[in-house]
Amino acid sequence: GQNIDQPTEMTATEGAIVQINCTYQTSGFNGLFWYQQHAGEAPTFLSYNVLDGLEEKGRFSSFLSRSKGYSYLLLKELQMKDSASYLCAVRSLWGLSFGAGTTVTVRA
Amino acid sequence: KAGVTQTPRYLIKTRGQQVTLSCSPISGHRSVSWYQQTPGQGLQFLFEYFSETQRNKGNFPGRFSGRQFSNSRSEMNVSTLELGDSALYLCASSLEGTSGASNTGELFFGEGSRLTVL
Repeated sequence: GQNIDQPTEMTATEGAIVQINCTYQTSGFNGLFWYQQHAGEAPTFLSYNVLDGLEEKGRFSSFLSRSKGYSYLLLKELQMKDSASYLCAVRSLWGLSFGAGTTVTVRA
Repeated sequence: KAGVTQTPRYLIKTRGQQVTLSCSPISGHRSVSWYQQTPGQGLQFLFEYFSETQRNKGNFPGRFSGRQFSNSRSEMNVSTLELGDSALYLCASSLEGTSGASNTGELFFGEGSRLTVL
């Protein structure tokens, strides 16, 4: 089985930076994903890491350390539209499993 | 190209009934996976189908079943509905599925079918 932990909620100010951590325990690790889900909408793909290191995509970056079972999603220059739930998902031999999600609230 | 289509979008059932949900993946995608989403549990994996074969199954009772057709469209069925089955059921498609090692395995989600069991 898999155990994926991420904080339940985070609040930040518009223009600031927020880092969402995700820790996992699994066997047969084969990649880690971050998805964004706005309230009432379907999740959408943000990033994918399979090797250690940082992947940058515009204002969003994702980091992975396989030896530590740890990833983070970094959101820079926060905008109001970034208020959403951010889901960490781990792929393994058993398919893709999601964490419970972190609700980020961006305040003006 | 058209996205993932799920039907029906909303439905209300009573305890003991059964329900069938449908998912049409993006054209060319051979993998369909199903998830149950509730406020307290987040996204829980139900099962994944690839080329009409169930590739993986989550930890749900046998009342939850699914299948995939030759055109990659998929259905999931829940029998003997319970109040706790009230949830948003999300379908996601991908080219090679979540176990494929040769691609990112990015999932494309449908809007979901919101089931309420009374």
